[in-house]
Amino acid sequence: EVQLVESGGGLVQPGGSLRLSCAASGFIFSSYEMNWVRQAPGKGLEWISYISSSDSTTYYADSVKGRFTISRDDAKNSLFLQMNSLRAEDTAVYYCARVLFSSTATTNDHWGQGTLVTVSS
Amino acid sequence: QSVLTQPPSVSAAPGQKVTISCSGSSSNIGNNWVSWYQHLPGTAPKLLIYEIDKRPSGIPARFSGSKSGTSATLDITGLQTGDEAEYYCATWDSSLNGVVFGGGTKLTVL
Repeated sequence: EVQLVESGGGLVQPGGSLRLSCAASGFIFSSYEMNWVRQAPGKGLEWISYISSSDSTTYYADSVKGRFTISRDDAKNSLFLQMNSLRAEDTAVYYCARVLFSSTATTNDHWGQGTLVTVSS
Repeated sequence: QSVLTQPPSVSAAPGQKVTISCSGSSSNIGNNWVSWYQHLPGTAPKLLIYEIDKRPSGIPARFSGSKSGTSATLDITGLQTGDEAEYYCATWDSSLNGVVFGGGTKLTVL
């Protein structure tokens, strides 16, 4: 069974940093592209970042470019999101999502349950 | 404001059909595949439709997708109370070089 479990969320002050993790199991993690998607309170889904499976090509939403870094450790079946210079508007539930094999980055067939990040003083 | 435009809400009676639209441009929907997601509060989003009109295993045929030009549509027939949720379209935007979601449409089954 495919499982994605996020961790690392919590309360952080504006300007602070946080590192989210996503532990993957039930599939060959190294073969799959991955995304981070977030949902702020009362708002819709917002794509944050993508990482490829082969050459670790990455893409970012303009809202986080230069502040967030996506990475992966295939040996540990893990996806990460390093978040720096956090702002109040980064407060959201953060989901990791698997891209359907041989499809496009917009096809996320499995999602984690999410981890809450709250940026507040 | 979202790059993809969806109606904020739609409603219909049980057993009826509802259509949710998603309007974009040539840089996104017009030249890329579209996905649709169902999202219930407190749960993980669920993939309903991908590559415009394909359904993952386990998704009933009541859910169907289509695309025409720079707009996409999700149709849900035989509405059930369990279909009440937020629905999102998503696609790749070649100008932004990233995935874009619609603003979401809340479906109410009256």
